[in-house]
Amino acid sequence: EDKVVQSPLSLVVHEGDTVTLNCSYEVTNFRSLLWYKQEKKAPTFLFMLTSSGIEKKSGRLSSILDKKELFSILNITATQTGDSAVYLCAARLGGQNFVFGPGTRLSVLP
Amino acid sequence: DAGVIQSPRHEVTEMGQEVTLRCKPISGHNSLFWYRQTMMRGLELLIYFNNNVPIDDSGMPEDRFSAKMPNASFSTLKIQPSEPRDSAVYFCASSPTGGTGELFFGEGSRLTVL
Repeated sequence: EDKVVQSPLSLVVHEGDTVTLNCSYEVTNFRSLLWYKQEKKAPTFLFMLTSSGIEKKSGRLSSILDKKELFSILNITATQTGDSAVYLCAARLGGQNFVFGPGTRLSVLP
Repeated sequence: DAGVIQSPRHEVTEMGQEVTLRCKPISGHNSLFWYRQTMMRGLELLIYFNNNVPIDDSGMPEDRFSAKMPNASFSTLKIQPSEPRDSAVYFCASSPTGGTGELFFGEGSRLTVL
């Protein structure tokens, strides 16, 4: 069965801290790994990773994929209260299917 | 450009009633997905369509759930009869085939079955 696991499931930090969110996957016919941020509404897209070892960055967020060890990490530096959200990781499979992990709930305290 | 549009945003109904959720994907997107999200189970794929054809409906819980996509710009998810355990947020998402692979989500329909 295709599976995506995230850790930790929940995390509380203070503004200015750096956090690392983990995502591991065990799926057939892997195509790419995606990260989403979900606040109160719909998930919004952050990154898509297809190649190992190539870091993607957007402001204070960055992510990297390791296809040999089947995991990805999402880093957030200098966290702000606006980063509080659920961060979802998803594996895109061949045939357009996506399998989502349970999410990491991040709370950033002022 | 309008995103994925879902209706209704909120629905409260009584057990046994029929519920119909609607979705308009982004124009030009060939793939459409229905997800259900609960605290206990997270985001679960119910069904997805490619070029209006259902490709994988293995996530549909049981015969009470059905989904249709009569044309490229409209899809419905129907629950009949509804049960309290169907209470969840139902997301519709679309994706361009052969594109970046990103899923674009609608705002969701929050269903409460009493």
